Amino acid sequence: DIQMTQSPSTLSASVGDKVTITCRASQYLGSWLAWYQQKPGKAPSLLISKASTLESGVPSRFSGGGSGTEFTLTISSLQRDDFASYYCQQYNSFPWTFGQGTKVEIK
Amino acid sequence: QVQLVESGGGVVQPGRSLRLSCAASGFTFSAFGMHWVRQAPGKGLEWVALIWYDGSDKYYGDSVKGRFTISRDNSKNTLYLQMDSLRAEDTAVYYCARGMGASPPDYWGQGTLVTVSS
Repeated sequence: DIQMTQSPSTLSASVGDKVTITCRASQYLGSWLAWYQQKPGKAPSLLISKASTLESGVPSRFSGGGSGTEFTLTISSLQRDDFASYYCQQYNSFPWTFGQGTKVEIK
Repeated sequence: QVQLVESGGGVVQPGRSLRLSCAASGFTFSAFGMHWVRQAPGKGLEWVALIWYDGSDKYYGDSVKGRFTISRDNSKNTLYLQMDSLRAEDTAVYYCARGMGASPPDYWGQGTLVTVSS
């Protein structure tokens, strides 16, 4: 199985900050990577697919990058609504696997 | 609009079985693959299973393979997860989610809680 490792596990930041979350895969993924946002008590929401394709309705301050085994999710200017947990997921091969998550907290 | 509503969760003893359902509306159910994803209390997301739009292919996570069975009834717009030989570590909120082909899920239900405890 492909192991997904996110860093950091927790990130403390202020409104307006630029933040970057990294996701590393144990095997080559090409661009078959997605990012999700999850708020407490809610279902996850798909932000980005194919490593860098923003889903409809997702604010442009979110961007995804990378390919192969290393990927990033960047929020260019953190807004109050962005304080949440973020997960990467590989869908290159079954079983699909998620990273352990990154919690973005208010500093 | 797209709606996915899970049901069937509850408290069940270890070793017993439970069947979850997911009622879909607002889209052409028979055109989409469907997933189950779970989240243990305070933990991260774990992908459980995927069934192809027509039921022809099914894929499972390692921790549930051989114990869980995903199925669907396109005439009823309903997805199922049959969970057998349940263990304490299966305790989680179970989400159903929609995916086009082998793309990541784009719409999710609100989840149903399964608690495995004696």
